[in-house]
Amino acid sequence: GESVGLHLPTLSVQEGDNSIINCAYSNSASDYFIWYKQESGKGPQFIIDIRSNMDKRQGQRVTVLLNKTVKHLSLQIAATQPGDSAVYFCAENSGGSNYKLTFGKGTLLTVNP
Amino acid sequence: DTEVTQTPKHLVMGMTNKKSLKCEQHMGHRAMYWYKQKAKKPPELMFVYSYEKLSINESVPSRFSPECPNSSLLNLHLHALQPEDSALYLCASSQEGGGLNSPLHFGNGTRLTVT
Repeated sequence: GESVGLHLPTLSVQEGDNSIINCAYSNSASDYFIWYKQESGKGPQFIIDIRSNMDKRQGQRVTVLLNKTVKHLSLQIAATQPGDSAVYFCAENSGGSNYKLTFGKGTLLTVNP
Repeated sequence: DTEVTQTPKHLVMGMTNKKSLKCEQHMGHRAMYWYKQKAKKPPELMFVYSYEKLSINESVPSRFSPECPNSSLLNLHLHALQPEDSALYLCASSQEGGGLNSPLHFGNGTRLTVT
């Protein structure tokens, strides 16, 4: 079946380092991708999104890269802070006029002070 | 704080009880969603409403009954649940654009325990 997956289930970094969280997707019809951050006891929080007509998008301390050739998505967090510790999910739509957003397995990011 | 408000935050119910989860948003979004999330797993879609009409039911058991009374409110009625239904139930909303092309905004969920 088609799915969104992550290469690394856990990632531990030092405060101040840059973090890279990766995601592989298999549905070539997907044309919209979102990264979410979920802290313990909270709902997923929108971080950044990207459409398939782009290959890079930057936000505040975050950058999302999309490589459609190899169906790969990544989230880069600059100068990682302890408050960035959370589970990060990538999610994709499947294109077309449906509303189904499919989430990847998630990566637990731990930032060590 | 989130702009999608869910109540209650926690709910414990027996298998014979009837309860309802409530969700409210005032962002003018016309698409609303229910997701279920088990511990250490990603959210899984249950239902989607578009313009107050049910547009997706992901083969959810009939013991879960959604309702969208108006464009700002979304309910999930629960009846005769099983212990395995214990999970975090998340509500979300998004702008309606003929498909999913804007981010979903999630509430902080209702932590449901079925005893």
